[in-house]
Amino acid sequence: AQSVTQPDIHITVSEGASLELRCNYSYGATPYLFWYVQSPGQGLQLLLKYFSGDTLVQGIKGFEAEFKRSQSSFNLRKPSVHWSDAAEYFCAVGLFSGGYNKLIFGAGTRLAVHP
Amino acid sequence: KAGVTQTPRYLIKTRGQQVTLSCSPISGHRSVSWYQQTPGQGLQFLFEYFSETQRNKGNFPGRFSGRQFSNSRSEMNVSTLELGDSALYLCASSPMERHTDTQYFGPGTRLTVL
Repeated sequence: AQSVTQPDIHITVSEGASLELRCNYSYGATPYLFWYVQSPGQGLQLLLKYFSGDTLVQGIKGFEAEFKRSQSSFNLRKPSVHWSDAAEYFCAVGLFSGGYNKLIFGAGTRLAVHP
Repeated sequence: KAGVTQTPRYLIKTRGQQVTLSCSPISGHRSVSWYQQTPGQGLQFLFEYFSETQRNKGNFPGRFSGRQFSNSRSEMNVSTLELGDSALYLCASSPMERHTDTQYFGPGTRLTVL
């Protein structure tokens, strides 16, 4: 069955430090992959997505992610974290069926940023 | 363009009652999806509507239902509420003109069942 694993439930980094959030997926075909961010009390905002082509994807707010088929991974990175990046981050795989991309989400990684 | 709007933002109900949540998609978007978010189960897909037809359904009991109107606005209904239905219900809209179209999420409706 299709699934998404985010191994880190909670991560704390210092402001200005680099960040990498891990995501592994299980999917038989070429996946559609997404990273969303959720601030407290808010909905989900798309950071970036991968469908095909260049395996390094650039997103908003300075985030990027790299698709590695051999490792079934789609890790999210940011070179320098800002305090406003504190939020919960969700990796998702899109299952395209019947004209629709149903999203299967990971459990999320909560990011805390120390000043 | 205005984003996805959901009403109400907060609801408190008691067990056994029913509830209706509303979602207005981004103008021009024809697909509306619903997701349930709980601390224990995370984000789970409920169902998706396109042009007033339910195309996809998640693994939820029949107490959860929905519909979509001709203007693409959608409602979801939960009957005979249980304590476990307490959750954040998120709505997402998409043009769905291409399979690569992004889903845009609303702020959610926080449902508390007492």
